[in-house]
Amino acid sequence: QKEVEQDPGPLSVPEGAIVSLNCTYSNSAFQYFMWYRQYSRKGPELLMYTYSSGNKEDGRFTAQVDKSSKYISLFIRDSQPSDSATYLCAILGGSQGNLIFGKGTKLSVKP
Amino acid sequence: DSGVTQTPKHLITATGQRVTLRCSPRSGDLSVYWYQQSLDQGLQFLIQYYNGEERAKGNILERFSAQQFPDLHSELNLSSLELGDSALYFCASSGGLGTDTQYFGPGTRLTVL
Repeated sequence: QKEVEQDPGPLSVPEGAIVSLNCTYSNSAFQYFMWYRQYSRKGPELLMYTYSSGNKEDGRFTAQVDKSSKYISLFIRDSQPSDSATYLCAILGGSQGNLIFGKGTKLSVKP
Repeated sequence: DSGVTQTPKHLITATGQRVTLRCSPRSGDLSVYWYQQSLDQGLQFLIQYYNGEERAKGNILERFSAQQFPDLHSELNLSSLELGDSALYFCASSGGLGTDTQYFGPGTRLTVL
């Protein structure tokens, strides 16, 4: 079983839709969870960083962690064409800081 | 702009050759991480340096090596290149170890022909 699983999509939604992106992970010891956004031909940029279980909100973005189910989610409200990108979930895999990434979900928001 | 710079942007080379990728971390960051991104494997951690010392190793091949210099820039050396080494190589930096946020550079696209 892979440490982090993410549906690669692609996902296509109309502008204004609510988007739900999800990952599952295998190791219950993981504590720190991140979502990165990667535009085509660019490096990943950090969107959200959460610790343990619960929700974190930043503008139109909400990150959710359910440690009992080993499930992490990113919700995007009022999606915009500029949100079209690949979204990568990431988990802090070791004490030194190395990240374990999902394969990414490619999102397209149509005007 | 993350503040992390990588050179070159693109690299095209032949099988069996050796290349060096360079990374300059954000000002003040002591940790440098190298990741490889390919279509089939996704983004995978290769190796980490902190203030000049190797701190963690991931799925890095023996043909690959890295170092971090006193001015904190880092180089990733890839030798005896194979077609399968074609990928995007990213460098990330953070202030310290562990839970510090990692900021990614724009990447180097390596094509092995």
